[in-house]
Amino acid sequence: SYELTQPPSVSVAPGQTARVTCGGNNIGSKSVHWYHQKPGQAPVLVVFDDKDRPSGIPERFSGSNSGNTATLTISRVEAGDEADYYCQVWDSSSDQYVFGTGTTVTVL
Amino acid sequence: QVQLVQSGGEAKKPGASVKVSCKASGYTFSNNGISWVRQAPGHGLEWMGWISAYSGTTNYAQRHQDRVTLTTDTSTSTAYLELRSLTSDDTAVYYCARAGGHFDSFHDYWGQGTQVTVSS
Repeated sequence: SYELTQPPSVSVAPGQTARVTCGGNNIGSKSVHWYHQKPGQAPVLVVFDDKDRPSGIPERFSGSNSGNTATLTISRVEAGDEADYYCQVWDSSSDQYVFGTGTTVTVL
Repeated sequence: QVQLVQSGGEAKKPGASVKVSCKASGYTFSNNGISWVRQAPGHGLEWMGWISAYSGTTNYAQRHQDRVTLTTDTSTSTAYLELRSLTSDDTAVYYCARAGGHFDSFHDYWGQGTQVTVSS
């Protein structure tokens, strides 16, 4: 089955840039979607189709995808960006949705 | 606005079954599929299955397909998850999520979650 691997944690100072990676075999051939989840809350979609943002999501959130790694970039990080972040793809070979292992972003 | 409102928390004994509901509003229910995703304490998101609200076609995660049944009631715009033969490993928050995009590839709206606790 298809697997997506994320670093367990990323730490960043306020105002700096955080990058969360999502590794998978030839993930560049798939569309990658990103969610953030704050404690006790449901996940929220922040990037879809590699790089597009739903309405209401700040431009500080951006995405890229190539080769074996997709990346969510959070620019000018704010304290409110502290959350768990998950990537997700649709694996057509198995007809399954797959979530990444999740990354906790901590704002120092 | 799109809303998914789930039923309340459940406490079950091992071996029992649970049925969780997810009532949709703010959009045409049959236009989108619904996925169910669970999150065990301290763990990540785990996709369990998807159902087309248009046709009732289902697609289950391989590890859950023997114990999970997804259904919809289009007359009330409600989706249901039934999980049978519960064990303590099924203790988790269960979310419904609307599938969006050209091929229902991502999940753009989520329910508030339903806590299911399995304990003797």
